Amino acid sequence: DGGITQSPKYLFRKEGQNVTLSCEQNLNHDAMYWYRQDPGQGLRLIYYSQIVNDFQKGDIAEGYSVSREKKESFPLTVTSAQKNPTAFYLCASSIVAPTGPSNQPQHFGDGTRLSIL
Amino acid sequence: SQKIEQNSEALNIQEGKTATLTCNYTNYSPAYLQWYRQDPGRGPVFLLLIRENEKEKRKERLKVTFDTTLKQSLFHITASQPADSATYLCALSTDSWGKFQFGAGTQVVVTP
Repeated sequence: DGGITQSPKYLFRKEGQNVTLSCEQNLNHDAMYWYRQDPGQGLRLIYYSQIVNDFQKGDIAEGYSVSREKKESFPLTVTSAQKNPTAFYLCASSIVAPTGPSNQPQHFGDGTRLSIL
Repeated sequence: SQKIEQNSEALNIQEGKTATLTCNYTNYSPAYLQWYRQDPGRGPVFLLLIRENEKEKRKERLKVTFDTTLKQSLFHITASQPADSATYLCALSTDSWGKFQFGAGTQVVVTP
């Protein structure tokens, strides 16, 4: 079955440490997204990518970095510059139709929960 | 600033009744509006998409309306079932590039 795989499901970070969250999709989607979800808040967009080797900052990109070297992979690195990294991180993908990806559903993984030790 | 509001109080409803959820927005002119379902500890699952020039969309027991004058979308679950218990999120985009903003969601609890 096609889908999005996020790993690990739970991740712990020590102060001053960078960590990388994995996101892999086999849906052959061009667009991929990273969101952060905090209790009682909506999903907030961190980074998104419409095509390989290109990505744009979302609303809360500070303290995060991404790469898009392959169509199926969009890893997110939470750097030590992110002062409040504890959150539920969600990766999504969608088709880039001629009318644009907003006209298409986003398919989500089951998230990675990051905590600070 | 742009704001999306969904009722933060859980909606408790009896099985078989219709659940109606609201998504209000301010300082926004969305071109696309999507609704998702999210279960605890899981990623959201897409339910319905409605465009700014559409008034209503239906899918099985689900119906969504979009009123750009009232700046509101309503999401209806008819003949609700306990399996419909989840948190429902609305998401708005002002452009075609897939950049959505999400509401915080409304929890629905359907009791037998």
